[in-house]
Amino acid sequence: AQTVTQSQPEMSVQEAETVTLSCTYDTSESDYYLFWYKQPPSRQMILVIRQEAYKQQNATENRFSVNFQKAAKSFSLKISDSQLGDAAMYFCAYRVNSNYQLIWGAGTKLIIKP
Amino acid sequence: KAGVTQTPRYLIKTRGQQVTLSCSPISGHRSVSWYQQTPGQGLQFLFEYFSETQRNKGNFPGRFSGRQFSNSRSEMNVSTLELGDSALYLCASSLSTGTNQPQHFGDGTRLSIL
Repeated sequence: AQTVTQSQPEMSVQEAETVTLSCTYDTSESDYYLFWYKQPPSRQMILVIRQEAYKQQNATENRFSVNFQKAAKSFSLKISDSQLGDAAMYFCAYRVNSNYQLIWGAGTKLIIKP
Repeated sequence: KAGVTQTPRYLIKTRGQQVTLSCSPISGHRSVSWYQQTPGQGLQFLFEYFSETQRNKGNFPGRFSGRQFSNSRSEMNVSTLELGDSALYLCASSLSTGTNQPQHFGDGTRLSIL
């Protein structure tokens, strides 16, 4: 079965600190892409970062980086220097070549404490 | 460049009615995907259209249908509405179909069934 598990329903972090959101997934495919999206209260889903499964190098986008462990099927998101604007629901998702639909996790609500 | 536009933003219907939701993709994008988001089931893939053809379909009953026009705009239709159809319906567009294509989301249509 194709599933994504985000084990942390909610996380909180002090402004300017670092937080890591966890994600594990299950697929028998070898070629796929992984994504992190954020959904603020405005409800628009925004792409944060993506990772190609065949690339060993972890993707980074400014303050956002991932720790991709393919063998463990783990794809965690690290947010450095957290800002108030980072408060949102964060969703982990992946997409395989045989089936282009995005498979989503349940999401992690990130709270930033000023 | 304008983003993905979904209309209407809010909709209230009663059981048994039907509804049509509209999505205008980013200019130049030819792929449109639809997702249903509910507190209980999370995000679930409905279908994807590319060049006016349905490329992929999620596990939803036949009451859910869609189409794409030659200008890439897409509509989804839900007939014989049920209370469980209350959800946020998200539309996403991408340049083309494929695993590596990042999807850009609209603000969604909040559908409430009374």
